[in-house]
Amino acid sequence: GENVEQHPSTLSVQEGDSAVIKCTYSDSASNYFPWYKQELGKRPQLIIDIRSNVGEKKDQRIAVTLNKTAKHFSLHITETQPEDSAVYFCAARLSNTGNQFYFGTGTSLTVIP
Amino acid sequence: GAGVSQSPRYKVAKRGQDVALRCDPISGHVSLFWYQQALGQGPEFLTYFQNEAQLDKSGLPSDRFFAERPEGSVSTLKIQRTQQEDSAVYLCASSLWGSNQPQHFGDGTRLSIL
Repeated sequence: GENVEQHPSTLSVQEGDSAVIKCTYSDSASNYFPWYKQELGKRPQLIIDIRSNVGEKKDQRIAVTLNKTAKHFSLHITETQPEDSAVYFCAARLSNTGNQFYFGTGTSLTVIP
Repeated sequence: GAGVSQSPRYKVAKRGQDVALRCDPISGHVSLFWYQQALGQGPEFLTYFQNEAQLDKSGLPSDRFFAERPEGSVSTLKIQRTQQEDSAVYLCASSLWGSNQPQHFGDGTRLSIL
């Protein structure tokens, strides 16, 4: 969506390397930022989320960082594995519009064995 | 149920026909969302329900799109007089309460308009 920009659109990494996906948002009042993983033909699955009152959150090999001043947040995947290959979407809840979520355009991640 | 269930998984309709897509959210989830996902794009917000109340329908692309959730559980998205540009995957998601809680998605309905 126009309120959330996501980069890069495609990303290839060697197995074991790290992958970083970045998103920027336009509304400084946004307060909830989830990340979803979507495999081909399947439903988006929540992998991690962060709220505006924290700067970083980790869950095993996955971490998300949030910079509220710069209005951007990033997904970090360490020690990538082939099963991490999928499309990843960031999203932001724009609080001033109530309940709308804007999704990024997605990053297609390929982990090369 | 264990997760969000959507039906049908695939729907093919001729241009001009009406279609109805069903979403069965996770039991006890108050909030329900509909999204439209075009090929290679992220989901785009259509509408939001809290229980049976449709609190936000600002994402519905035209008055041909109509959604309801009469008893606060199952929801139906109806598209009247379908057009080719309506072809997309329609995703439903539910959350425990509100839009700042994790949303759980269904598998979606892939709609193809011929």
